[in-house]
Amino acid sequence: LAKTTQPISMDSYEGQEVNITCSHNNIATNDYITWYQQFPSQGPRFIIQGYKTKVTNEVASLFIPADRKSSTLSLPRVSLSDTAVYYCLVGSPYTGGFKTIFGAGTRLFVKA
Amino acid sequence: EAQVTQNPRYLITVTGKKLTVTCSQNMNHEYMSWYRQDPGLGLRQIYYSMNVEVTDKGDVPEGYKVSRKEKRNFPLILESPSPNQTSLYFCASSSSNGAQPQHFGDGTRLSIL
Repeated sequence: LAKTTQPISMDSYEGQEVNITCSHNNIATNDYITWYQQFPSQGPRFIIQGYKTKVTNEVASLFIPADRKSSTLSLPRVSLSDTAVYYCLVGSPYTGGFKTIFGAGTRLFVKA
Repeated sequence: EAQVTQNPRYLITVTGKKLTVTCSQNMNHEYMSWYRQDPGLGLRQIYYSMNVEVTDKGDVPEGYKVSRKEKRNFPLILESPSPNQTSLYFCASSSSNGAQPQHFGDGTRLSIL
């Protein structure tokens, strides 16, 4: 399993774009990058998954450079309700990947 | 509605009294998993199951048992609970493995006195 490294915490203001970067230097060829969001006392919620370049959905965008050794979760125009912990995971959805390591995540605090 | 259902949501019990936390999913998922979450330690995987009758240890399996007799159910068993197992527990499922998007339950808060 590829190890991931994220900032422990980040602060932002409402309406700003927030970018959270995750490092995964040992990512394998078949690995995808997955991001989850977790509010206090709730289970994590899947946000987005990608393999390379850029993926966008109604919630976020995921940018993955060509070497795939890092990825950036981009949250456009955050609101107070985006205050949460964000986790980056790396693994192959199609081969292996049964053990899951969440790590400590990035605590995002959005201020008014 | 796609759901992972855990019961109970809250439980206060005493050391040594066997307990079971149930987990059920209605998505016909093959992969199910249990996590515990403690302040400052993030989410740690206890056990996971790749399919019926196939289970394996995660990072913190000591003191826990699981079984997967049916595809939809994955109970977590604490045979002799101890205070260090006081935690918030989450069950999750995904279509095939842990790298596929996982759906999480609402959590079970266990307090063992």
